[in-house]
Amino acid sequence: SQTIHQWPATLVQPVGSPLSLECTVEGTSNPNLYWYRQAAGRGLQLLFYSVGIGQISSEVPQNLSASRPQDRQFILSSKKLLLSDSGFYLCAWSVIREAFFGQGTRLTVV
Amino acid sequence: AQKITQTQPGMFVQEKEAVTLDCTYDTSDPSYGLFWYKQPSSGEMIFLIYQGSYDQQNATEGRYSLNFQKARKSANLVISASQLGDSAMYFCAMRETGDTDKLIFGTGTRLQVFP
Repeated sequence: SQTIHQWPATLVQPVGSPLSLECTVEGTSNPNLYWYRQAAGRGLQLLFYSVGIGQISSEVPQNLSASRPQDRQFILSSKKLLLSDSGFYLCAWSVIREAFFGQGTRLTVV
Repeated sequence: AQKITQTQPGMFVQEKEAVTLDCTYDTSDPSYGLFWYKQPSSGEMIFLIYQGSYDQQNATEGRYSLNFQKARKSANLVISASQLGDSAMYFCAMRETGDTDKLIFGTGTRLQVFP
């Protein structure tokens, strides 16, 4: 069966520090991969999505970037975090009739 | 442009009653899929049900059913026999399966089930 791993679950980082969140998928090939951010009590904002290795589409200009170095690996990065980058980050994969999420990373920038 | 709208910020329902959560969408792609998710206070996103744009029948999964009205571009979630554990945020989402493969979400509806 398919599983998705996202880590870490929580993260506290100082302003100006770098960020790397990783998401890996098992049990499926060539999935679409997505990164979302969710502010407290709000909906999911699509940040990046990828339909294949090295193919990244950015939805919102911001302080973040994404990479897909392998078929089932999706990385969200920042060189210098801002206070406004705080939030709940969710990774998801999708193939045809399914779309599943990782457990999420709660990022607090202090 | 691809768009998902959930107009109900909050809904209340009594235990054992049915409740309908509204979702409308807009897309120019004839091929798309519609999803519903439940997000409890823990934050995890739980997949509930899927409806493809070419599916002939409305999707059902246990107590969840999707009232798909293609001409009206609506995909409402019906929860039958509500339980206290159904209290959560519910999100509708759409994925265009033609050009972009983007998966976008509505703003969500908070459902509260009371005894």
